[in-house]
This record gives sequence, C-alpha cells and structure tokens, in this order.
Amino acid sequence: DAGVTQTPRHEVAEKGQTIILKCEPVSGHNDLFWYRQTKIQGLELLSYFRSKSLMEDGGAFKDRFKAEMLNSSFSTLKIQPTEPKDSAVYLCASSLGGTGGGEQYFGPGTRLTVL
Amino acid sequence: QQKVQQSPESLSVPEGGMASLNCTSSDRNFQYFWWYRQHSGEGPKALMSIFSDGDKKEGRFTAHLNKASLHVSLHIRDSQPSDSALYFCAASGAGGYKVVFGSGTRLLVSP
Repeated sequence: DAGVTQTPRHEVAEKGQTIILKCEPVSGHNDLFWYRQTKIQGLELLSYFRSKSLMEDGGAFKDRFKAEMLNSSFSTLKIQPTEPKDSAVYLCASSLGGTGGGEQYFGPGTRLTVL
Repeated sequence: QQKVQQSPESLSVPEGGMASLNCTSSDRNFQYFWWYRQHSGEGPKALMSIFSDGDKKEGRFTAHLNKASLHVSLHIRDSQPSDSALYFCAASGAGGYKVVFGSGTRLLVSP
C-alpha cells in the first residue's frame, strides 16, 4: 500500500516568495491534516479536511497559509508570502477517521527554508 | 496552554534497559490516546493506541491508561538503539474532536 506522499522533500525560498507544497493521502482515507513542526513549537495543526471539506483552518495561520483539497487524492498548502519564521518541516497526514479521529498516517515531510 | 503534556523532555537509557515515558492531559473530553514515534528525517508513525483503562502490551511496548487521572504512559523494555527517536503522545475525544499532540519526549538508547 502506498503511504502518504509529499513533494518536494526540500524547498528553499526567498522571503516574499510564494511556495506550494503537495500531498497525496493514503487512498480511501477521509481525513487530511497539514502540520508544521519546529523544535520550539512542536507539531502545530495548520489545516484539517474531512471528506474534502475544510474543518479547521489553523486560526493564527490563516493569513498567509492556505490549504486546499482539490480532490480526495490531492492536497496543496500554499504559503504566500513566505517569511523566514516559516522555516520548518511541513507534514501532511491522513486518516480513516472514525473512533476518536483514528490513527494518522504521516508523510515524510517537506523541509522549508526561507532566506 | 498545552492540553497534552509529556515528560520527561529527554531520556537516555542503556541498551537493554527500560524506558518510561509519561503523558498527562488537561481536557476531560479526551478519551482516546495514541503513542507515535518519529525517527530523524521521517514523519511520525503510530506505535499503539489505548482507549481503555489498564495495560495494553504489544511486543516490547506496554501502554498504561488511567482515565480518572488523565494519565497515559509508555514503557519500552529491552530498549534497542533503533528505539532512539522522538515519541509523541496524542489524545482525542468523541464527537469529532481533532487529535492533539504533546510536545514529545526524545529517547536516546546508547549501545
């Protein structure tokens, strides 16, 4: 079974650029999550989709961060414009949902560096 | 305020030893708990879930849940260098609550 796929694995951007990160969830999973991971803040939820509907837009992140789920097998996270403080690992995860949300399957992440 | 708190922040055990990780939640709506493990350069991967009070054992890993005190622990016996990783506790409630992750415990198992 294919797991969660994320591309690119590494991204370097100049301050002010627009970047788009991509995610393909596990086939058949209903829920999709975008997280940001840093050593200081840990795992922070950016967006949460259930059956392609946006359920959570991450509160403080919504100004420059926009996640979309174009179909059940593809999602993007756009950061516009990027700032140096956005440097982090961005993780995509998917889940079947169900009892208590269900187990989440994570992709390998995209490491973003903003100069 | 962190709803899921983990301790210790880091832990070092010798190969073959026992590692004990702790997690306490501050939200009584949380009923379902997971432990995730993340090796360097990878995404987190679920180790085990525990939904009922008591112990749950899977190989060298034992999770213990006490819902009354909102405390869950993970014990790794016969620790191996390959167990060196970042361990997350995650919790969720019924009715569509999203999963909340703790800040993690970094485990180092030295040969």
